[in-house]
Amino acid sequence: QKEVEQNSGPLSVPEGAIASLNCTYSDRGSQSFFWYRQYSGKSPELIMFIYSNGDKEDGRFTAQLNKASQYVSLLIRDSQPSDSATYLCAPGGNTGFQKLVFGTGTRLLVSP
Amino acid sequence: DTGVSQDPRHKITKRGQNVTFRCDPISEHNRLYWYRQTLGQGPEFLTYFQNEAQLEKSRLLSDRFSAERPKGSFSTLEIQRTEQGDSAMYLCASSLAGTKNTEAFFGQGTRLTVV
Repeated sequence: QKEVEQNSGPLSVPEGAIASLNCTYSDRGSQSFFWYRQYSGKSPELIMFIYSNGDKEDGRFTAQLNKASQYVSLLIRDSQPSDSATYLCAPGGNTGFQKLVFGTGTRLLVSP
Repeated sequence: DTGVSQDPRHKITKRGQNVTFRCDPISEHNRLYWYRQTLGQGPEFLTYFQNEAQLEKSRLLSDRFSAERPKGSFSTLEIQRTEQGDSAMYLCASSLAGTKNTEAFFGQGTRLTVV
């Protein structure tokens, strides 16, 4: 089982719709979860992080975490063409050393 | 610019040559990470420092790879006897140690092409 699993996509949504990106992880001890956005040819950019079960909202972005199900998601409301990118999920570890382990990412395409 | 800085941005080298990359983290950050990313894949963990101590090195990393962070500030990643399979984007990130994993910020990356 991969440590982090994401649907590679592409996930296509029309402009203005809600994009839902999902991620499952294998390390039950993971305590922190990060979502990065990566445009083609660029480095990852942190957009959200969440530590506690439930929802965390930041502007058009909502991160949802369910530790019992080992599942974390990212919702993007009112999707814009500029949101078209690859979204990487990264759980942090459960030890004093907490490297980030990335999934392969989900490619999101928002059409005008 | 107070972000993570990497140098060079691009490197083309012949197979068998040695290359060295530099990363300057955000100044107050004591954690520094190196990742490698190939097309269509997520970043793959290579190694990690807290201050000057290298705390983990990926088993995927061959002996041709070495990283240092001698004074707990900037870090270098050296690849000896480069192979075509080393062609990738090499990413550096830094974060501040805390009771939980704090946010890691990436540099622009160094794109290595081995010909």
